[in-house]
Amino acid sequence: RKEVEQDPGPFNVPEGATVAFNCTYSNSASQSFFWYRQDCRKEPKLLMSVYSSGNEDGRFTAQLNRASQYISLLIRDSKLSDSATYLCVVSFSGYSTLTFGKGTMLLVSP
Amino acid sequence: NAGVTQTPKFQVLKTGQSMTLQCAQDMNHNSMYWYRQDPGMGLRLIYYSASEGTTDKGEVPNGYNVSRLNKREFSLRLESAAPSQTSVYFCASSTGSAATEAFFGQGTRLTVV
Repeated sequence: RKEVEQDPGPFNVPEGATVAFNCTYSNSASQSFFWYRQDCRKEPKLLMSVYSSGNEDGRFTAQLNRASQYISLLIRDSKLSDSATYLCVVSFSGYSTLTFGKGTMLLVSP
Repeated sequence: NAGVTQTPKFQVLKTGQSMTLQCAQDMNHNSMYWYRQDPGMGLRLIYYSASEGTTDKGEVPNGYNVSRLNKREFSLRLESAAPSQTSVYFCASSTGSAATEAFFGQGTRLTVV
């Protein structure tokens, strides 16, 4: 069973806020984890990979909890340009394809 | 760098018509994919090609066929379009390892009336 679950939102936050998204996945034998970003009417693009030790890229922090089978994305100091849909993506062991969550919409307002 | 190029960007079909969506990548990737994206459904895999010469069904293959023409090109064909196939279609490619990034084309917005 390959399932990736996300809260669809939307999350409405003011500029400068900190916001966190969670994602759960169904299979403990999962291989790789990613967050993608998709702007309205555009293609998805890789935001960051998620490593077991957690990783940070500027204002973005991703964490993985294998025991509880969830992934998180933290965005600090939100910008208007962060408004987008964030897709949680998992590569399940034994499969050569990626499984996408349905996405969480973020709206950052002035 | 072109990356992944899809054509056409927009298309309107009548029920029963056929068409082929074209996809080409210039990154020397081994694997290529076709997804559809519908509101509330997320991205769903239609077909994929793990390497040149191979194709496999994804989650929602019914009503579609694919051809991996060569390493660069992967086409998706609708033989007899149905309104349920109204969607946004994305082609993607990757090196072939599931642990690596997938690069997407800009999408094709298809409406079947």
